[in-house]
Amino acid sequence: AQSVTQLGSHVSVSEGALVLLRCNYSSSVPPYLFWYVQYPNQGLQLLLKYTSAATLVKGINGFEAEFKKSETSFHLTKPSAHMSDAAEYFCAVSVGDAGGTSYGKLTFGQGTILTVHP
Amino acid sequence: NAGVTQTPKFRILKIGQSMTLQCTQDMNHNYMYWYRQDPGMGLKLIYYSVGAGITDKGEVPNGYNVSRSTTEDFPLRLELAAPSQTSVYFCASRKPDGNQPQHFGDGTRLSIL
Repeated sequence: AQSVTQLGSHVSVSEGALVLLRCNYSSSVPPYLFWYVQYPNQGLQLLLKYTSAATLVKGINGFEAEFKKSETSFHLTKPSAHMSDAAEYFCAVSVGDAGGTSYGKLTFGQGTILTVHP
Repeated sequence: NAGVTQTPKFRILKIGQSMTLQCTQDMNHNYMYWYRQDPGMGLKLIYYSVGAGITDKGEVPNGYNVSRSTTEDFPLRLELAAPSQTSVYFCASRKPDGNQPQHFGDGTRLSIL
């Protein structure tokens, strides 16, 4: 079984400060990992995905995440926060179709709401 | 390019009523999913489908039914609405390849009173 834990349901930063959103996963097989962003009253939009090609993954809007197998982590970072980054962020894990019969089903963390102060 | 379209966007139901949440995608994706989102709980998988005529239960299927008669459409049905089904419902789709991301609709916000 797979699971995801996002540390911190709320994170608050100042504009221009580093953004760090934490995600730890548990999976019995090599996972596929995703970060999604949700703006108010909208659906989820893919920020980036890890698929074993490279441990440092760059996504949209200046975000990146590093896969650390030894720490079972996939933390999301952005060097300088912008007011437009205020949203809820979800980490998700899937074992993918190659790992068996999961059919790409995602297991989500509980989400982290990012607030950016001027 | 519409992507994943969900209707309606908002709905209020009375306890015991039934309704169907519609989901259609124009990307020719084989895999489709229904999730519900509750505050502080992330998204939970209700049902999923890997192609027309094939559906299976997810983590929280009780009180819901689905069908998949075409590749494009994947409706979710609530037969006897209960207050516990008040939630935001998201439909998603993706290609069957192992590392493909899911594409989400904008959601249906459902209140049951």
